[in-house]
Amino acid sequence: EVQLVESGGGLVQPGRSLRLSCAASGFSLDKYGMHWVRQRPGRGLEWVSGITWNSGSIGYAGSVKGRFTISRDNTKNSLYLQMISLRAEDTALYYCVKDLEPAVGADVFDIWGRGTVVTVSS
Amino acid sequence: EIVLTQSPATLSLSPGERATLSCRASESVSNYLAWYQQKPGQAPRLLIYDTSNRATGIPARFSGSGSGTDFTLTISSLEPEDFAFYFCQQRYSWWTFGQGTKVEIK
Repeated sequence: EVQLVESGGGLVQPGRSLRLSCAASGFSLDKYGMHWVRQRPGRGLEWVSGITWNSGSIGYAGSVKGRFTISRDNTKNSLYLQMISLRAEDTALYYCVKDLEPAVGADVFDIWGRGTVVTVSS
Repeated sequence: EIVLTQSPATLSLSPGERATLSCRASESVSNYLAWYQQKPGQAPRLLIYDTSNRATGIPARFSGSGSGTDFTLTISSLEPEDFAFYFCQQRYSWWTFGQGTKVEIK
């Protein structure tokens, strides 16, 4: 079964850092582009960051650019999101998401994890 | 940023009825519009991508149509498991999502 499991969320003070992980199973992560999408309380979904299958292209939403870093370790079939200088507005459920098509990709999000909750509060 | 507006916010229907959900984009997204279903405590599930392509394993009662700025998700005959939250997403310019429509049992 194709599955994504996020971890690493928790309660953190403003200004601190947190690293989210996403473990993939049932498929080879190295063939697919991957993304992080978040859902803030009472708000819709927001794309946060994406990385192509070969890490050749990386993108960030303006709200996190310069503070968040996406990376992948294909040998561990894992995706990461390093978050620094966290703000209250980063409080959200963070989803790890897989692209539908391998290699070049389709920019369609076909498999989502259940998410990990990040709460930024003093 | 392309804004997606979904309507209605809530749709109250009975099993067996037809559901019609709307998604309007603030500017053209060509045919790059997807629909997802989400149930409480579960991961979102891809239903339709690029306006009308059903994802793997999605029943034929789900269909999508539209182009440019106006899109529709139709569920031809609601099954009990279809009562859920639905949201649209565009991939024409980065990725943005609609606020969603809740399909509830009347």
